Amino acid sequence: QSALTQPASVSGSPGQSITISCTGTSSDVGTYNLISWYQQHPGEVPKLLIYEASKWPSGVSNRFSGSKSGNTASLTISGLQAEDEADYYCCSYAGRSTFVFGAGTKVTVL
Amino acid sequence: EVHLVQSGAEVKKPGESLKISCKTSGYIFTTYWIGWVRQMPGKGLEWMGNIYPGDSDTRYSPSLQGQVTISADTSTNTAYLQWSSLGASDSAMYYCAIQLRTGDAFDIWGQGTKVTVSS
Repeated sequence: QSALTQPASVSGSPGQSITISCTGTSSDVGTYNLISWYQQHPGEVPKLLIYEASKWPSGVSNRFSGSKSGNTASLTISGLQAEDEADYYCCSYAGRSTFVFGAGTKVTVL
Repeated sequence: EVHLVQSGAEVKKPGESLKISCKTSGYIFTTYWIGWVRQMPGKGLEWMGNIYPGDSDTRYSPSLQGQVTISADTSTNTAYLQWSSLGASDSAMYYCAIQLRTGDAFDIWGQGTKVTVSS
């Protein structure tokens, strides 16, 4: 059960859109639509942004959107804002009530 | 309102044992999985394992199997993560989290417990 692959860093200017990829295998991302995305600011608790690949929890901005194709899931942040600067993690169900996180992506707002 | 309140920071020596807790309230403890997530200093999130308090069904990350024990006490609605012999590599922030309203995603998190293992 290896960590899902995410780019180490992604950057963009305010107002732009950026996309973070999350690549797994046919044992996790490729088989299950149970992909979630988390945002973590330094020193803070992770916050759920997206669940079941593309659904929003109550209270989360629709500037964050998720999708999945094959073994890769993606998180898109539209209208990038300074407050979006944080670390982002994907997580996939991997069968038998087990999970695997991605290595994380640092988003920088230029 | 749902709350997950974790025990306080710990400083331990290598070889010592430790049990940290995650006290829950505001929902039916026995009907939702509770997970533990590790975050080593400067590193990413790592799923350690889950427990279903209703029947104590427990799942572990293959990389951590045998190194930690996850348990739950239904009389106090508290989940636990324990080590029998700590090592320096166990120094990390540990979070508990539940999958309450969002399928298999962790939507409610505890505040974290920082564990430092140092001689």
